[in-house]
Amino acid sequence: DTGVSQNPRHKITKRGQNVTFRCDPISEHNRLYWYRQTLGQGPEFLTYFQNEAQLEKSRLLSDRFSAERPKGSFSTLEIQRTEQGDSAMYLCASSLALYEQYFGPGTRLTVT
Amino acid sequence: QKEVEQDPGPLSVPEGAIVSLNCTYSNSAFQYFMWYRQYSRKGPELLMYTYSSGNKEDGRFTAQVDKSSKYISLFIRDSQPSDSATYLCAMSSNDYKLSFGAGTTVTVRA
Repeated sequence: DTGVSQNPRHKITKRGQNVTFRCDPISEHNRLYWYRQTLGQGPEFLTYFQNEAQLEKSRLLSDRFSAERPKGSFSTLEIQRTEQGDSAMYLCASSLALYEQYFGPGTRLTVT
Repeated sequence: QKEVEQDPGPLSVPEGAIVSLNCTYSNSAFQYFMWYRQYSRKGPELLMYTYSSGNKEDGRFTAQVDKSSKYISLFIRDSQPSDSATYLCAMSSNDYKLSFGAGTTVTVRA
């Protein structure tokens, strides 16, 4: 499978705990994106990497959120001190061309 | 008001019918327009993208963009039950951030 992969697929955590998600992009893609999707809504942009550089962060990405892409390969998204409002599907996408973003299956987070 | 408006439906059609989906937008800076298909509990799948106004056809799918009216459409001909999914429009004014509509849920009845 040469698509975008995300792990874990599901995560249930208690409020206040930290969680980390991983995204492995399509191998030749230098651009990587994180989005968040809640039920009945379209994905909302969180952040963008070109190679290892994080070039843009949405105001949705509070101080509790941090994303990294060491060596321009896989990326991690960490949420500290989770809140119930963080429950959502976290989607990763990658691209080589400017606007052809290919999405992974997502990580569904439930905060209890 | 949201930047991208999309009727959530749901839309139910018989097999073989034409499915018509649309989005309106308010940001005149949007230049790139995409349609994604999303099955339940899966990630969005890129169906089509276009840069300029006009029509683009790919198999059973036709995308239309009217920048003067800030209106885009997706038509699915000869619809099949496997086309049952949520369809998301997305657009961008630059090369990274996509702004999505809320999605329209489509059911094609066999």
